[in-house]
Amino acid sequence: QQQVKQSPQSLIVQKGGISIINCAYENTAFDYFPWYQQFPGKGPALLIAIRPDVSEKKEGRFTISFNKSAKQFSLHIMDSQPGDSATYFCAASIWSTARQLTFGSGTQLTVLP
Amino acid sequence: GAVVSQHPSWVICKSGTSVKIECRSLDFQATTMFWYRQFPKQSLMLMATSNEGSKATYEQGVEKDKFLINHASLTLSTLTVTSAHPEDSSFYICSARVNIGTPSGRAGYNEQFFGPGTRLTVL
Repeated sequence: QQQVKQSPQSLIVQKGGISIINCAYENTAFDYFPWYQQFPGKGPALLIAIRPDVSEKKEGRFTISFNKSAKQFSLHIMDSQPGDSATYFCAASIWSTARQLTFGSGTQLTVLP
Repeated sequence: GAVVSQHPSWVICKSGTSVKIECRSLDFQATTMFWYRQFPKQSLMLMATSNEGSKATYEQGVEKDKFLINHASLTLSTLTVTSAHPEDSSFYICSARVNIGTPSGRAGYNEQFFGPGTRLTVL
């Protein structure tokens, strides 16, 4: 199975709060897990990515947590800002080849001012 | 960073006409580019993998005679929607694959950089 399941479908957070988006995968061959941010009418932009040799990666306000045994990974946005309002996609691929990305269904995040 | 452009950013055409969308890697060479289609509030659906100098590989269910892909150079891939119909209206996004090198001689990995997308509306 190539599926990547993402939840929630939509998320509303107050400014300054923590946004958490979860993804689960089935294919154990996946070993590269990027997150993309997409604004309306724009292409996706790489936000942060992780490989399974680490359980957590942090870049600024964005953190990926990875649980290899559970085949789950999540994106945490700390101190969420209205400018973070966008659609977020998790994805998975095989690192060495990156033949193609398998995308999650997306989460529409709204950060209220 | 790696920049990918698309042209046009939006196009409106009449049913039955053909539309060409260009995808360019601006500051790197890409032997592989990908074409995606995205409907409103949905995820990206991979349509095909475009390899420089060879035929594209289409995903199951994608009509290769309708969506013609040409990857004639290391910086340009084109998607032509032939005899477009209203159901072809969508947001088309390309991406280019680039190998990201790592220090200490460790094998690099492949990352995809996405273009800004092209909004196609078929009347």
